[in-house]
Amino acid sequence: EVQLLESGGGLVQPGGSLRLSCAASGFTFSDYAMSWVRQAPGKGLEWVSEISGSGASVYYADSVKGRFTISRDNSKNTLYLQLNSLRADDTAVYYCARHFYGVLYFEHWGRGMLVTVSS
Amino acid sequence: EIVMTQSPATLSVSPGERATLSCRASQSVSSNLAWYQQKPGQAPRLLIYAASTRATGIPARFSGSGSGTEFTLTISNLQSEDFAVYYCQHYYNWLLTFGGGTKVEI
Repeated sequence: EVQLLESGGGLVQPGGSLRLSCAASGFTFSDYAMSWVRQAPGKGLEWVSEISGSGASVYYADSVKGRFTISRDNSKNTLYLQLNSLRADDTAVYYCARHFYGVLYFEHWGRGMLVTVSS
Repeated sequence: EIVMTQSPATLSVSPGERATLSCRASQSVSSNLAWYQQKPGQAPRLLIYAASTRATGIPARFSGSGSGTEFTLTISNLQSEDFAVYYCQHYYNWLLTFGGGTKVEI
């Protein structure tokens, strides 16, 4: 069974940093591209960033480019998102999601975790 | 960026009825379109991919159609557990975008 378990969320001040983690199990982690998707309170879904299975290719939404960094450790089956220069509009539930093999729809999702940016 | 537009924003239906949800892309995405269901406090769940293929375990009352720029999700014989928000998402290129969602309510 595919499982994705996020951790690292919480309250952070504007301008601060946070690192999110997503522990994956139930599949060969290095075979799959992974993404982070976020959802601001009461709003829709927004794709944030994607990383290829090897980690060689990364992509970002314009809203986070230059501030967020996606990475993965295939030896630990873990996905990361480093959030820097956080702003109030980064407040959201952040989901870790696994793509289908070779195709960019989201086949599996984590339960999500809340990141709140506030002073 | 491909903009995905969903309509209506809210759809009021009764159990047993049919719901028809629309999704429009600002440019052709071929059949690279997925639909998700999200219930309050839960993560989204994949319903449909490749515009019309049901994901594993999704009941046959959910069906998708369309290609290019116009897509439809149809839910036949609505059940109580189907009241939720539905999102479309294109995966034509790496800049993935979602529609704003359609809330299906009683």
